[in-house]
Amino acid sequence: DAGVTQSPTHLIKTRGQQVTLRCSPKSGHDTVSWYQQALGQGPQFIFQYYEEEERQRGNFPDRFSGHQFPNYSSELNVNALLLGDSALYLCASSPLVGGPNEQFFGPGTRLTVL
Amino acid sequence: GNSVTQMEGPVTLSEEAFLTINCTYTATGYPSLFWYVQYPGEGLQLLLKATKADDKGSNKGFEATYRKETTSFHLEKGSVQVSDSAVYFCALSRWGSQGNLIFGKGTKLSVKP
Repeated sequence: DAGVTQSPTHLIKTRGQQVTLRCSPKSGHDTVSWYQQALGQGPQFIFQYYEEEERQRGNFPDRFSGHQFPNYSSELNVNALLLGDSALYLCASSPLVGGPNEQFFGPGTRLTVL
Repeated sequence: GNSVTQMEGPVTLSEEAFLTINCTYTATGYPSLFWYVQYPGEGLQLLLKATKADDKGSNKGFEATYRKETTSFHLEKGSVQVSDSAVYFCALSRWGSQGNLIFGKGTKLSVKP
């Protein structure tokens, strides 16, 4: 079992650009959540996807959008990048019903905005 | 709103010392409470959890008790090892283990041999 995988590992962009981050959930999981972790801070919830729809959303602007595919994998898109978007982006997956009642986290994508 | 406050780090201990990391929360209703650990270069891992008042979560020698009267969920371990060096995050969720998690800022623990 590969666990939660994320790509790429690191990414460098410039202000104003757009970025797409990818996540493959743990086998058997159908729910994917995204978090932003700024340096020295705890992760902050961005949104959660289930059945290809956004179920919950945190306090993030519309520049942050997502998508979930039929195979449960997910993308996080950020438009018009700001310096403050530099952070570690974490993906977590969980089974909505059944299975261990726990969110499993991937290793994250480190985004640097210059 | 819902929030988590945990003690500032870093915390440096000698091997076999007793560990306490304080965590208090503010939430409406009856949240579930969690401790996650982040080892260097790795993703977050669930360490333990408690879903109702007076529950005690435990794992790998760590334990924490859900205290509703003091809105606290302090992490303790009787004898730390060098391998426990990591960043520890307290978190809550109002929607069980699959709901969105609200994290504290994290406490870095360094254990010296």
